[in-house]
Amino acid sequence: RKEVEQDPGPFNVPEGATVAFNCTYSNSASQSFFWYRQDCRKEPKLLMSVYSSGNEDGRFTAQLNRASQYISLLIRDSKLSDSATYLCVVNRNNDMRFGAGTRLTVKP
Amino acid sequence: GAVVSQHPSRVICKSGTSVKIECRSLDFQATTMFWYRQFPKKSLMLMATSNEGSKATYEQGVEKDKFLINHASLTLSTLTVTSAHPEDSSFYICSVQNLNTGELFFGEGSRLTVL
Repeated sequence: RKEVEQDPGPFNVPEGATVAFNCTYSNSASQSFFWYRQDCRKEPKLLMSVYSSGNEDGRFTAQLNRASQYISLLIRDSKLSDSATYLCVVNRNNDMRFGAGTRLTVKP
Repeated sequence: GAVVSQHPSRVICKSGTSVKIECRSLDFQATTMFWYRQFPKKSLMLMATSNEGSKATYEQGVEKDKFLINHASLTLSTLTVTSAHPEDSSFYICSVQNLNTGELFFGEGSRLTVL
Protein backbone atom coordinates (compact mmCIF):
# COMPACT_ATOMS: atom_id res chain seq x y z
CA ARG A 1 0.00 0.00 0.00
CA LYS A 2 1.33 3.43 -0.91
CA GLU A 3 1.92 5.88 1.90
CA VAL A 4 -0.14 8.56 0.23
CA GLU A 5 -2.86 7.70 -2.25
CA GLN A 6 -4.89 9.90 -4.52
CA ASP A 7 -7.38 9.27 -7.27
CA PRO A 8 -5.31 10.13 -10.36
CA GLY A 9 -8.36 11.29 -12.29
CA PRO A 10 -8.54 12.91 -14.69
CA PHE A 11 -11.40 15.03 -13.50
CA ASN A 12 -12.97 16.91 -16.38
CA VAL A 13 -15.46 19.48 -15.19
CA PRO A 14 -17.23 22.50 -16.70
CA GLU A 15 -16.52 26.01 -15.55
CA GLY A 16 -18.42 26.86 -12.42
CA ALA A 17 -18.59 23.29 -11.18
CA THR A 18 -17.64 22.17 -7.70
CA VAL A 19 -15.06 19.41 -7.53
CA ALA A 20 -13.59 17.51 -4.61
CA PHE A 21 -10.41 15.49 -4.27
CA ASN A 22 -9.58 13.04 -1.54
CA CYS A 23 -6.26 11.77 -0.36
CA THR A 24 -5.56 8.98 2.11
CA TYR A 25 -2.40 8.39 4.08
CA SER A 26 -1.21 5.27 5.83
CA ASN A 27 0.96 6.57 8.65
CA SER A 28 -1.13 7.69 11.60
CA ALA A 29 1.87 9.57 13.05
CA SER A 30 1.82 12.03 10.16
CA GLN A 31 1.93 15.54 11.49
CA SER A 32 1.13 18.06 8.81
CA PHE A 33 -0.58 18.07 5.48
CA PHE A 34 -0.53 20.17 2.37
CA TRP A 35 -2.09 20.55 -1.03
CA TYR A 36 0.26 21.62 -3.79
CA ARG A 37 -0.65 22.59 -7.30
CA GLN A 38 1.54 21.65 -10.24
CA ASP A 39 1.04 23.06 -13.70
CA CYS A 40 2.31 21.16 -16.71
CA ARG A 41 6.11 21.27 -16.92
CA LYS A 42 6.35 23.49 -13.86
CA GLU A 43 7.39 22.99 -10.28
CA PRO A 44 4.79 22.34 -7.54
CA LYS A 45 3.59 25.35 -5.61
CA LEU A 46 1.86 25.40 -2.27
CA LEU A 47 -1.88 25.83 -2.61
CA MET A 48 -2.74 25.54 1.04
CA SER A 49 -1.81 23.86 4.27
CA VAL A 50 -4.45 21.66 5.84
CA TYR A 51 -5.34 22.29 9.46
CA SER A 52 -7.17 20.00 11.83
CA SER A 53 -10.09 22.39 12.07
CA GLY A 54 -10.35 22.69 8.32
CA ASN A 55 -9.51 25.85 6.45
CA GLU A 56 -10.80 27.88 3.59
CA ASP A 57 -9.08 30.21 1.16
CA GLY A 58 -11.48 31.80 -1.25
CA ARG A 59 -12.93 29.08 -3.45
CA PHE A 60 -10.74 26.41 -1.89
CA THR A 61 -11.56 24.43 1.23
CA ALA A 62 -9.30 21.84 2.79
CA GLN A 63 -10.27 19.38 5.48
CA LEU A 64 -8.45 16.79 7.54
CA ASN A 65 -9.91 13.68 9.09
CA ARG A 66 -7.28 12.14 11.32
CA ALA A 67 -9.49 9.28 12.46
CA SER A 68 -9.99 8.09 8.90
CA GLN A 69 -6.61 9.32 7.75
CA TYR A 70 -7.69 11.35 4.79
CA ILE A 71 -7.58 14.91 3.63
CA SER A 72 -9.75 16.59 1.08
CA LEU A 73 -9.72 19.59 -1.19
CA LEU A 74 -12.90 21.22 -2.42
CA ILE A 75 -12.86 23.71 -5.27
CA ARG A 76 -16.00 25.76 -5.80
CA ASP A 77 -16.92 27.73 -8.89
CA SER A 78 -14.13 26.17 -10.95
CA LYS A 79 -12.20 28.42 -13.28
CA LEU A 80 -10.32 27.48 -16.43
CA SER A 81 -7.15 28.51 -14.60
CA ASP A 82 -7.74 25.84 -11.98
CA SER A 83 -6.70 23.21 -14.53
CA ALA A 84 -3.62 21.57 -13.05
CA THR A 85 -2.46 18.55 -11.11
CA TYR A 86 -3.14 18.70 -7.38
CA LEU A 87 -0.65 16.94 -5.15
CA CYS A 88 -1.40 15.75 -1.66
CA VAL A 89 1.66 15.97 0.59
CA VAL A 90 2.00 14.42 4.03
CA ASN A 91 4.73 15.31 6.49
CA ARG A 92 6.11 13.23 9.33
CA ASN A 93 9.24 14.46 11.08
CA ASN A 94 10.06 16.60 8.06
CA ASP A 95 9.93 13.54 5.82
CA MET A 96 7.53 14.63 3.09
CA ARG A 97 5.61 12.05 1.09
CA PHE A 98 3.75 12.85 -2.09
CA GLY A 99 0.66 11.47 -3.63
CA ALA A 100 0.75 10.76 -7.35
CA GLY A 101 -1.47 13.77 -7.99
CA THR A 102 -4.98 14.29 -9.27
CA ARG A 103 -5.32 15.88 -12.65
CA LEU A 104 -8.09 18.44 -13.10
CA THR A 105 -9.22 19.93 -16.37
CA VAL A 106 -11.82 22.68 -16.29
CA LYS A 107 -13.54 23.17 -19.62
CA PRO A 108 -15.48 26.16 -20.97
CA GLY B 1 10.18 36.41 -5.01
CA ALA B 2 11.72 33.01 -5.54
CA VAL B 3 12.89 31.16 -2.48
CA VAL B 4 14.76 28.53 -4.46
CA SER B 5 16.57 29.07 -7.73
CA GLN B 6 17.47 26.17 -9.98
CA HIS B 7 19.70 26.26 -13.02
CA PRO B 8 19.70 25.37 -15.86
CA SER B 9 16.00 25.17 -16.59
CA ARG B 10 16.56 23.12 -19.69
CA VAL B 11 19.50 21.12 -20.97
CA ILE B 12 19.98 18.88 -23.96
CA CYS B 13 23.07 16.73 -24.07
CA LYS B 14 24.57 13.79 -25.88
CA SER B 15 24.58 10.35 -24.39
CA GLY B 16 27.64 9.74 -22.24
CA THR B 17 28.14 13.31 -21.11
CA SER B 18 27.68 14.61 -17.59
CA VAL B 19 25.27 17.34 -16.62
CA LYS B 20 25.37 19.50 -13.51
CA ILE B 21 22.26 21.09 -12.04
CA GLU B 22 22.48 23.78 -9.37
CA CYS B 23 19.98 24.52 -6.65
CA ARG B 24 20.28 27.69 -4.59
CA SER B 25 18.32 28.60 -1.48
CA LEU B 26 17.80 32.35 -1.67
CA ASP B 27 15.85 33.18 1.46
CA PHE B 28 17.34 31.03 4.16
CA GLN B 29 20.20 28.76 4.94
CA ALA B 30 19.38 25.18 4.17
CA THR B 31 21.32 22.41 5.85
CA THR B 32 19.17 20.01 3.90
CA MET B 33 17.93 20.10 0.32
CA PHE B 34 15.94 17.51 -1.57
CA TRP B 35 16.30 16.28 -5.12
CA TYR B 36 13.39 14.79 -7.03
CA ARG B 37 12.83 13.33 -10.44
CA GLN B 38 9.56 13.40 -12.28
CA PHE B 39 8.70 11.48 -15.43
CA PRO B 40 5.84 12.66 -17.65
CA LYS B 41 2.44 12.31 -15.99
CA LYS B 42 4.02 10.72 -12.94
CA SER B 43 4.47 11.92 -9.39
CA LEU B 44 7.57 13.44 -7.90
CA MET B 45 9.98 10.77 -6.75
CA LEU B 46 12.49 11.68 -4.07
CA MET B 47 15.95 10.74 -5.24
CA ALA B 48 18.12 11.91 -2.41
CA THR B 49 18.49 14.23 0.52
CA SER B 50 21.44 16.55 0.27
CA ASN B 51 23.17 17.35 3.56
CA GLU B 52 25.48 20.32 3.96
CA GLY B 53 28.96 19.22 4.84
CA SER B 54 28.25 15.51 4.70
CA LYS B 55 27.22 12.77 2.32
CA ALA B 56 23.85 12.75 0.69
CA THR B 57 21.26 10.17 1.65
CA TYR B 58 19.96 8.31 -1.36
CA GLU B 59 16.59 6.63 -1.74
CA GLN B 60 16.46 2.96 -2.50
CA GLY B 61 17.17 2.23 -6.13
CA VAL B 62 18.97 5.50 -6.83
CA GLU B 63 22.60 5.01 -7.83
CA LYS B 64 24.83 7.34 -5.87
CA ASP B 65 27.66 7.02 -8.38
CA LYS B 66 25.30 7.94 -11.17
CA PHE B 67 23.73 10.92 -9.45
CA LEU B 68 26.45 12.81 -7.63
CA ILE B 69 25.27 15.30 -5.04
CA ASN B 70 27.38 17.99 -3.48
CA HIS B 71 26.12 20.35 -0.80
CA ALA B 72 29.10 22.62 -0.39
CA SER B 73 27.41 25.51 1.38
CA LEU B 74 24.21 26.34 3.22
CA THR B 75 22.77 27.88 0.07
CA LEU B 76 23.95 25.63 -2.73
CA SER B 77 23.46 22.01 -3.66
CA THR B 78 24.39 20.47 -6.99
CA LEU B 79 23.24 17.32 -8.71
CA THR B 80 25.47 15.86 -11.41
CA VAL B 81 24.04 13.24 -13.72
CA THR B 82 27.11 11.32 -14.82
CA SER B 83 27.40 9.54 -18.14
CA ALA B 84 23.84 10.44 -18.99
CA HIS B 85 21.74 8.10 -21.10
CA PRO B 86 18.38 8.65 -22.78
CA GLU B 87 16.57 6.93 -19.92
CA ASP B 88 17.87 9.68 -17.61
CA SER B 89 15.81 12.21 -19.53
CA SER B 90 13.42 13.64 -16.97
CA PHE B 91 12.38 16.69 -14.99
CA TYR B 92 14.67 17.19 -12.01
CA ILE B 93 13.48 19.42 -9.17
CA CYS B 94 15.10 20.50 -5.94
CA SER B 95 13.46 21.81 -2.82
CA VAL B 96 14.20 23.24 0.60
CA GLN B 97 12.00 22.92 3.62
CA ASN B 98 10.92 25.43 6.21
CA LEU B 99 11.50 23.32 9.30
CA ASN B 100 9.08 25.40 11.36
CA THR B 101 6.07 24.97 9.10
CA GLY B 102 7.08 21.90 7.12
CA GLU B 103 6.36 23.74 3.86
CA LEU B 104 8.50 22.81 0.88
CA PHE B 105 9.75 25.39 -1.56
CA PHE B 106 10.67 24.07 -4.98
CA GLY B 107 13.11 25.21 -7.56
CA GLU B 108 11.82 25.86 -11.04
CA GLY B 109 13.00 22.46 -12.20
CA SER B 110 15.50 21.36 -14.82
CA ARG B 111 14.33 19.46 -17.86
CA LEU B 112 17.03 17.12 -19.07
CA THR B 113 16.92 15.57 -22.50
CA VAL B 114 19.63 13.08 -23.38
CA LEU B 115 19.98 12.32 -27.06
